[in-house]
Amino acid sequence: GENVEQHPSTLSVQEGDSAVIKCTYSDSASNYFPWYKQELGKGPQLIIDIRSNVGEKKDQRIAVTLNKTAKHFSLHITETQPEDSAVYFCAAKDYGQNFVFGPGTRLSVLP
Amino acid sequence: GAVVSQHPSWVICKSGTSVKIECRSLDFQATTMFWYRQFPKQSLMLMATSNEGSKATYEQGVEKDKFLINHASLTLSTLTVTSAHPEDSSFYICSASPKGYYGYTFGSGTRLTVV
Repeated sequence: GENVEQHPSTLSVQEGDSAVIKCTYSDSASNYFPWYKQELGKGPQLIIDIRSNVGEKKDQRIAVTLNKTAKHFSLHITETQPEDSAVYFCAAKDYGQNFVFGPGTRLSVLP
Repeated sequence: GAVVSQHPSWVICKSGTSVKIECRSLDFQATTMFWYRQFPKQSLMLMATSNEGSKATYEQGVEKDKFLINHASLTLSTLTVTSAHPEDSSFYICSASPKGYYGYTFGSGTRLTVV
C-alpha cells in the first residue's frame, strides 16, 4: 500500500521568512496530492492540492511542487505570518479512495 | 464549496455509556464518508469507510462492534462509540467528497473524553 513520509516534523521560522515542507510517497499510482492545515482542536482544511499531470501550482503565498519521477512533492509558504502557525499534513491518493496522510509538520512562525 | 458539518464538537461521557457523532454533507450528496481518529500530536488514522445503504468497511484493528457506523442517507453518517472507555478518548473527524471531486472536505472534529 501507499506510504507517505513527511519532513521535517517540526519547523520554526521567523515571520516573513519562507517555509518548505517535503513529502515522499511510495505508490506510483498515486495521482492526487493535497496539503492540509490543521489548527488546534479543528479539522484539517485543504490549503492547496496538485494532480499528477501538473508540476507546480501556486495560490498567493502558497505553492506546491511535484516531482513524479522522484515521487516527492513539497509545500512552499512565502512571507510567513504568525497565523500560518499550525500542523500541516500532506497526503497522497490514487484513482480509488485510498487516501494516505503523512505524519504532519508542526510549523511555528515566530514574530 | 463542499461543506461537512460535524456534531458535537466536544463531548464528555461516563465509562460504559455510548456516544453518537454526526457527520453531514451540507451542500452535496456523499455516497461515501470516512471516519478518522487522531491522537494528540499524531496524524489522522482512517478507522472506517461509511457507504450509504450498505455496511461500513473497517480498517484492520478497528472493532466494528465498538464503533458502529450508520450511513442512512446521502448526507448523513453517524459514528457511535459503544460502551466507551477512557482509552476511547480521542479526536474523531469525518470527511466526504462530492462526486467527481478529487479532494476530501473534513468536518471540524469531535473531541471525545471518557471519564
